[in-house]
Amino acid sequence: QVQLVESGGGLVKPGGSLRLSCAASGFTFTDYYMSWIRQAPGKGLEWISCISSGSSQTTYADSVKGRFTISRDNTKNSLYLQMNTLRDEDTAVYYCARGYKNHRWWGQGTLVTVSS
Amino acid sequence: DIQMTQSPSSLSASVGDRVTITCQASQDISNYLNWYQQIPGKAPKLLIYDASKLETGVPSRFSGSGSGTDFTFTISSLQPEDIAAYYCQQYDNLPRTFGPGTKVDIK
Repeated sequence: QVQLVESGGGLVKPGGSLRLSCAASGFTFTDYYMSWIRQAPGKGLEWISCISSGSSQTTYADSVKGRFTISRDNTKNSLYLQMNTLRDEDTAVYYCARGYKNHRWWGQGTLVTVSS
Repeated sequence: DIQMTQSPSSLSASVGDRVTITCQASQDISNYLNWYQQIPGKAPKLLIYDASKLETGVPSRFSGSGSGTDFTFTISSLQPEDIAAYYCQQYDNLPRTFGPGTKVDIK
């Protein structure tokens, strides 16, 4: 059974950093691009980044470009999101999702709160 | 970036009603469009891909149509368990973009 489990969320001050992780199981991790999608409280879904299966290609939404870095460790079946220079507006539930076209599998999400 | 719009932003309908949501892309995306359902407190669930293909296990009362810039999502007979937000998403270009969502509830 496919499972995606995010971790690493929490409370951080504006300007701070946080690293999210997503542990994948139940499928061949190296066969898939992976993505991060977020949802601010009471708001809609915002796609923020994806990474190719071998890490050669990464893409970011303008809202996070230059501040966030997506990466993966295929030996650990894990996806990461390094978030720097965090802003109030980055407060959201962050989901990892399999693929970069049709997201059939999502994690349960991890909450990041940016507040002083 | 491709901008996605949806209408209405919310709707209220009776059980058994036919519900229609529209989604428009700012440029031609062929049929590279998904529809997701998000029940409050849960992760989104893929219902429709390639604009009109029903994901495995999804009830047949859900359907999608359209191509180019204009798309439609329909629930043929609204059920209580369909209370949710529905989002369209294009995957023609990177970065991917979602519509703002449509909240559906029962009248």
